[in-house]
Amino acid sequence: DGGITQSPKYLFRKEGQNVTLSCEQNLNHDAMYWYRQDPGQGLRLIYYSQIVNDFQKGDIAEGYSVSREKKESFPLTVTSAQKNPTAFYLCASSIVITGSHSYEQYFGPGTRLTVT
Amino acid sequence: AQSVTQLDSHVSVSEGTPVLLRCNYSSSYSPSLFWYVQHPNKGLQLLLKYTSAATLVKGINGFEAEFKKSETSFHLTKPSAHMSDAAEYFCVVSDTSGTYKYIFGTGTRLKVLA
Repeated sequence: DGGITQSPKYLFRKEGQNVTLSCEQNLNHDAMYWYRQDPGQGLRLIYYSQIVNDFQKGDIAEGYSVSREKKESFPLTVTSAQKNPTAFYLCASSIVITGSHSYEQYFGPGTRLTVT
Repeated sequence: AQSVTQLDSHVSVSEGTPVLLRCNYSSSYSPSLFWYVQHPNKGLQLLLKYTSAATLVKGINGFEAEFKKSETSFHLTKPSAHMSDAAEYFCVVSDTSGTYKYIFGTGTRLKVLA
């Protein structure tokens, strides 16, 4: 089955520790995205990547880092510089066709990160 | 710049009655619009999308939406609500400014009463 996997589903960390969230897709999509969701709020874009070895900051990139060494993988590191890291994190992917914006995103199941 | 406004943060309906979730958009170009559903602690699932073909779009689970350019709206409807429809719904527009980003509305939480 094609899709996006995120692991783990729940993650607990102590304040001051860096933590890496995994996102893997086997849909052969070029673009991948990381979003943060807080209770009662919509999705906020952290980072996105349209091609391997390239990525761009989203609206709330401070305190986060990413890499895109393989098409299938887009891990997100939540660093100790992120002031309020406790949140639900969603990874997504989509097709990229130059000049077309009609392709939907596919989402993973999410990782709930709790930092205490 | 594109933007999306979901006009209701919460909507409550009785089971078996119609559902209307409202979405207005702003876009300089012909937009692509999407509706997603999110159940608690889950990822988002695509309900339907509009990409400049038919203005009335049918999606999964009996949902449909009508693109109205004159009103810049893309409201989501369902004739008869089911308990399993209780979830959060997001209206999304694709960014046509040269990136491949998506702009999300703030979501509408649908409650279905027995």
